[in-house]
Amino acid sequence: AAGVIQSPRHLIKEKRETATLKCYPIPRHDTVYWYQQGPGQDPQFLISFYEKMQSDKGSIPDRFSAQQFSDYHSELNMSSLELGDSALYFCASSPRPLETQYFGPGTRLLVL
Amino acid sequence: AQSVTQLDSHVSVSEGTPVLLRCNYSSSYSPSLFWYVQHPNKGLQLLLKYTSAATLVKGINGFEAEFKKSETSFHLTKPSAHMSDAAEYFCVVRLRSGATNKLIFGTGTLLAVQP
Repeated sequence: AAGVIQSPRHLIKEKRETATLKCYPIPRHDTVYWYQQGPGQDPQFLISFYEKMQSDKGSIPDRFSAQQFSDYHSELNMSSLELGDSALYFCASSPRPLETQYFGPGTRLLVL
Repeated sequence: AQSVTQLDSHVSVSEGTPVLLRCNYSSSYSPSLFWYVQHPNKGLQLLLKYTSAATLVKGINGFEAEFKKSETSFHLTKPSAHMSDAAEYFCVVRLRSGATNKLIFGTGTLLAVQP
């Protein structure tokens, strides 16, 4: 069965650079979620989208923005990167809001 | 507020022995609870979910969990551990607030399986 696709899988950036993470949900899933998992930490919810509109917002820094496109894929844009942004970023999708979330493999971001 | 507490940060078992990973939840109404597993350098895989149907939930790879309202628990069990079960396990509650589907993760339990 098709799963959530995230790209890139690994990314190395320097401080103050920008990064764009992409997420392709499972086909026919219209809801996308982003989570951040710091080293040794549990995943923390960042933001979610339903039908291309932001549906919920968590602990996402102002330096980050995200959007969902007409084909339901989503991009997380991160600017002015800091060392503390180094983490594993998960995308998840669900068929509709309030349904089970299925996670992608994650993008591991390292900020030097 | 809804939350989950995983009572053990590390659990070590021998291959072939039972596994018990403990989770307690806090919720003012019937929660939706999940167990996810994360293998080293891998993504999060859904093991099983409880959404107010049967209290005993069977998941993949022989895992199951029982929802006990009287004990506010949702412990994960498996009769016989396999080496491939070594991973980190997260107990998760879905935050219910309007149309939100935000997941709140526990701090995780690292399961080690000894040969």
